[in-house]
Amino acid sequence: QQQVKQSPQSLIVQKGGIPIINCAYENTAFDYFPWYQQFPGKGPALLIAIRPDVSEKKEGRFTISFNKSAKQFSLHIMDSQPGDSATYFCARITSKLTFGTGTRLQVTL
Amino acid sequence: DSGVTQTPKHLITATGQRVTLRCSPRSGDLSVYWYQQSLDQGLQFLIQYYNGEERAKGNILERFSAQQFPDLHSELNLSSLELGDSALYFCASSVLGWGAAGYTFGSGTRLTVV
Repeated sequence: QQQVKQSPQSLIVQKGGIPIINCAYENTAFDYFPWYQQFPGKGPALLIAIRPDVSEKKEGRFTISFNKSAKQFSLHIMDSQPGDSATYFCARITSKLTFGTGTRLQVTL
Repeated sequence: DSGVTQTPKHLITATGQRVTLRCSPRSGDLSVYWYQQSLDQGLQFLIQYYNGEERAKGNILERFSAQQFPDLHSELNLSSLELGDSALYFCASSVLGWGAAGYTFGSGTRLTVV
């Protein structure tokens, strides 16, 4: 199984808040863990990605934390803005790209 | 614009019919992937082609088929359509096959079966 379990299903935060989206995976191979952002009517777009030998990666306001022993990784969005409102998917790349179930984020004013 | 072009953007057809979705990958990309996105199933991998050859299969129904042409564009054929086939169909492309992180998605084709 190469499932990726993602939570929460939806999230509402106020502007400036720090939404956190969590993912857990089963089994371990040489995986690569990307996060995708999807706006309505658009395809998923790569946001940030992390390799399993790195515990944290930061790009702008987006940070991935990776806990290899717990087989978990999470996305933090610092100083969230209404423009960040979208659906976020965690994923893993082994022999194929497998997506989590998605988190619909709404950032309110 | 991601560089991956999908046509048509919207498609409405009746049950039992056959449709063809088209994808032009980003310039220089050799791999094309098809995904189905529905509310209850999320983003499901269907099939991958690399430089004209089928490379991997996912949860693709027997009623569905795909191919990649010499110019690297790809077509996904859906036949004997059922109401449950209504979904967004995305194409993605990458330079190489699996193992690279650079998957670029198109804007999708929304298929409605009535």
